[in-house]
Amino acid sequence: DVKVTQSSRYLVKRTGEKVFLECVQDMDHENMFWYRQDPGLGLRLIYFSYDVKMKEKGDIPEGYSVSREKKERFSLILESASTNQTSMYLCAGRETSGEKLFFGSGTQLSVL
Amino acid sequence: SQQGEEDPQALSIQEGENATMNCSYKTSINNLQWYRQNSGRGLVHLILIRSNEREKHSGRLRVTLDTSKKSSSLLITASRAADTASYFCATPNSGGYQKVTFGTGTKLQVIP
Repeated sequence: DVKVTQSSRYLVKRTGEKVFLECVQDMDHENMFWYRQDPGLGLRLIYFSYDVKMKEKGDIPEGYSVSREKKERFSLILESASTNQTSMYLCAGRETSGEKLFFGSGTQLSVL
Repeated sequence: SQQGEEDPQALSIQEGENATMNCSYKTSINNLQWYRQNSGRGLVHLILIRSNEREKHSGRLRVTLDTSKKSSSLLITASRAADTASYFCATPNSGGYQKVTFGTGTKLQVIP
């Protein structure tokens, strides 16, 4: 079965901490995505990677960076966490452009 | 941002009734996709309709697409309590690496 795995289901961090959210896919997908989901705002794209070491900014990249050193792993980094980054973070993979996404279960991050 | 919008934001119906959700988007597309999200979990792909299609069916799901109005609708017939979830439309940008933008979602409650 297709699988996208996010390393943590729930995470609590302090303001100013450096936070790593990890996502691993086992489908050999070229494309990977990070979204954040907030009530009333739907999913908003943070970053997108279309190949190893390649990335593109999404709609809300400020305060975030990403790393894709290997095809199967796409990491989202909060350099200095802030309370307004408290959110549900969703990772997804996609085999080819334009086709369906496969999502992980999400990481609920709370920044205190 | 080309984030679309779903309408209505929330919908409550009795089991056995039909549920209709609408999606509007902003730019030209190659396809439009619908996803479902159970509470607090990742999204699951339901159906994809290409820009040259006007209607598509999958089980109890019927999707229409009107590219001239930049809108789509999802109809769930004979709804069940298990259909209770949030539903999102998603549009890959045409051209380029096709980042995927999601709408704000419709929260459907089906009352047994």
